[in-house]
Amino acid sequence: NAGVTQTPKFRVLKTGQSMTLLCAQDMNHEYMYWYRQDPGMGLRLIHYSVGEGTTAKGEVPDGYNVSRLKKQNFLLGLESAAPSQTSVYFCASRGRSPGLAGHEQYFGPGTRLTVT
Amino acid sequence: GENVEQHPSTLSVQEGDSAVIKCTYSDSASNYFPWYKQELGKRPQLIIDIRSNVGEKKDQRIAVTLNKTAKHFSLHITETQPEDSAVYFCAASKNSGAGSYQLTFGKGTKLSVIP
Repeated sequence: NAGVTQTPKFRVLKTGQSMTLLCAQDMNHEYMYWYRQDPGMGLRLIHYSVGEGTTAKGEVPDGYNVSRLKKQNFLLGLESAAPSQTSVYFCASRGRSPGLAGHEQYFGPGTRLTVT
Repeated sequence: GENVEQHPSTLSVQEGDSAVIKCTYSDSASNYFPWYKQELGKRPQLIIDIRSNVGEKKDQRIAVTLNKTAKHFSLHITETQPEDSAVYFCAASKNSGAGSYQLTFGKGTKLSVIP
């Protein structure tokens, strides 16, 4: 049981290049999230998914796209990378639960992206 | 949308002393408040959470209190140890549709426990 994994761990891009970050979870979780973490800014939600085939915008969605073609995978794409997208990206997942129970989000190890 | 303020941004305590981190939130509909601990270079991990129908929750040396009227909640760590040194994040959440419960995080508190 690997939990939440992210690929790659590190990446350096030039401005204008594109890339896809992969998040995978083996806990059969319904909900998946992508965050970015910048110094002094906490974690900010980029996009999220409430189930296979669904995606929705979070707090800072501009410049990113996502897809959830399989329940276990959530992809984050940067079509034309900009220096402002230099950040650490975390994926998280959460299982479905009744009421308020079981709201813990499980985070992946993160991807450190630098755009030059 | 929700706004979460967290204070202080840095906190240094002597080993064995207590540490308190405070957060306020803006959306009165928020009903779930987790606290995450993030060690340097690692992923955030949940350490304790509280629901809006509870005023206080304890787990060994950590406790969280919630004041819904004032819209603030706090993390208390007693008998601090060097391994408590990390960045702590508070968050607030409500059901934003289809059970999504999006988290809005505070900006974090860097806790240093001095041996």
